Amino acid sequence: EPEVTQTPSHQVTQMGQEVILRCVPISNHLYFYWYRQILGQKVEFLVSFYNNEISEKSEIFDDQFSVERPDGSNFTLKIRSTKLEDSAMYFCASSSLAGYNEQFFGPGTRLTVL
Amino acid sequence: QQQVKQSPQSLIVQKGGISIINCAYENTAFDYFPWYQQFPGKGPALLIAIRPDVSEKKEGRFTISFNKSAKQFSLHIMDSQPGDSATYFCAASDTGNQFYFGTGTSLTVIP
Repeated sequence: EPEVTQTPSHQVTQMGQEVILRCVPISNHLYFYWYRQILGQKVEFLVSFYNNEISEKSEIFDDQFSVERPDGSNFTLKIRSTKLEDSAMYFCASSSLAGYNEQFFGPGTRLTVL
Repeated sequence: QQQVKQSPQSLIVQKGGISIINCAYENTAFDYFPWYQQFPGKGPALLIAIRPDVSEKKEGRFTISFNKSAKQFSLHIMDSQPGDSATYFCAASDTGNQFYFGTGTSLTVIP
């Protein structure tokens, strides 16, 4: 069964450093998403991406964040200068259609900012 | 601003019992209400979803009840099994794009 994969599973970084989280969505999917989940809290939407453009983003997704689909298979989330409060589980998701369709989630990358 | 409120935070049910998780929402523009199941170390996975044009949707042992006037919806798990032990998230969306999640319910089903 096709699945979304994410690497690395755990990333530890120093405050102020840049991190890139990587995701490989399901191959025929066209819509891509990033969410985060701070430990013990709810899952929060960050951004959606379609046709090489951001289609929607939340207030969390400020100028420190960027997304890219560099090579047609990977989908990346970059955090330019990490803060302590960026420590969270980051989930990538993808879907084959826009709108009210199932988003398939990856297993997540746990980001720890020291 | 908490768009979707979920309760209880944790739930312990005997095997064979009924598990009930409740959610309430604020935004009347929401028109898609999915429930996600998350096992430790895994991402959330869609369990069942409902649109507001129906009051109930059933898939196997899982049922969503939806009350549009009260702005509430709930997940019922009938004949709960130990394998159902997981964290359950309700969510809501008005675009099908950005999902607003509840805070999650940790369900433990005791054999």
